[in-house]
Amino acid sequence: KAGVTQTPRYLIKTRGQQVTLSCSPISGHRSVSWYQQTPGQGLQFLFEYFSETQRNKGNFPGRFSGRQFSNSRSEMNVSTLELGDSALYLCASSLEQGRGYTFGSGTRLTVV
Amino acid sequence: KQEVTQIPAALSVPEGENLVLNCSFTDSAIYNLQWFRQDPGKGLTSLLLIQSSQREQTSGRLNASLDKSSGRSTLYIAASQPGDSATYLCAVRSLNQAGTALIFGKGTTLSVSS
Repeated sequence: KAGVTQTPRYLIKTRGQQVTLSCSPISGHRSVSWYQQTPGQGLQFLFEYFSETQRNKGNFPGRFSGRQFSNSRSEMNVSTLELGDSALYLCASSLEQGRGYTFGSGTRLTVV
Repeated sequence: KQEVTQIPAALSVPEGENLVLNCSFTDSAIYNLQWFRQDPGKGLTSLLLIQSSQREQTSGRLNASLDKSSGRSTLYIAASQPGDSATYLCAVRSLNQAGTALIFGKGTTLSVSS
């Protein structure tokens, strides 16, 4: 059974640009959540989608947005990139709320 | 606000030792607690999931316990091997905290020497 797939694996962007990251959950999983991991802050929750609806949102500025499609695939967008957005972005999928999460390998974003 | 703490932050042991990693959380109202392993630069691999109604889960050399009332979980690793070297993360799915999915501790970085 295929795992959670995140693309691309690596990205280098310039300050002020925007970026879109993609996540394909495990087949049948309708919940997708996104996390940012940095050495200083650890893993921080960005947002969670369930059946195309944003269910929860973490404490991040409006430059961070996301969406989920009818096939449960999700995208995350960051506009007006800042140096501090450099991080490993992880996506996780779950069957439903309260079940365990399976994570993808992440997208390493570097902003220069 | 739910907070998760992991102690110690780093641990070095010789191969073959049994060891315990600790995780504590401030709000006992949780759906579940999940232990993950992360290798450098990689994603998270789920090790064990304990539902709030359970006391422990076992998988191979790993055993995780949950004491919800005291807000504690331990991950026991038996007969450690160099391949166990990684960062171990504890995360809770909180019942009360709207706006979050999983809340993570900072992790324990384990180094097992041969």
